[in-house]
Amino acid sequence: AQRVTQPEKLLSVFKGAPVELKCNYSYSGSPELFWYVQYSRQRLQLLLRHISRESIKGFTADLNKGETSFHLKKPFAQEEDSAMYYCALFAGGTSYGKLTFGQGTILTVHP
Amino acid sequence: DAGVIQSPRHEVTEMGQEVTLRCKPISGHDYLFWYRQTMMRGLELLIYFNNNVPIDDSGMPEDRFSAKMPNASFSTLKIQPSEPRDSAVYFCASSPNRGRASYNEQFFGPGTRLTVL
Repeated sequence: AQRVTQPEKLLSVFKGAPVELKCNYSYSGSPELFWYVQYSRQRLQLLLRHISRESIKGFTADLNKGETSFHLKKPFAQEEDSAMYYCALFAGGTSYGKLTFGQGTILTVHP
Repeated sequence: DAGVIQSPRHEVTEMGQEVTLRCKPISGHDYLFWYRQTMMRGLELLIYFNNNVPIDDSGMPEDRFSAKMPNASFSTLKIQPSEPRDSAVYFCASSPNRGRASYNEQFFGPGTRLTVL
């Protein structure tokens, strides 16, 4: 069975500091990974997907199959980055269509 | 498009009462998901449907929970009888089926905040 672990429930940084939200996964096949974000009073929404190798709002995430990780990084955090972040894994197969989410990390960026 | 619509947005009820949460997915989406969000456990998938058919209900906590999708534009999640530990935010999400997982973004509703006293 697949599993996603976000070891930090809370993460605080100051504006302009680098930030890294950790995500580790467990899955025997070839995973597809995503980061979703929930800003205050907004809906949970897709931030980025590993297959696109994109940078969204300054965030990037690299899939490391050796370490089974998909950490989310931003070199200079902004106050508007404060939100709940979820890492999610798509495993396919008989679970096609389903995402497995981590427990989430609340990021607070202080001025 | 208004996106995924959920009702009610807030529900306060007493232990033992029946609770029904409603969801209207985005038109044309083949998948519908029900999630529960709590501080302790994060975001948990309860059940999901493909073309109105339940595919995986292994996340439904117990028999008190049931979900239906009578047609492509409506789904309900029912808790009967409700208990204080059911207090959480319940999300509905829908996604299209574009043949590749990476393109099947899930679109979430605003959630229903349930409080069971």
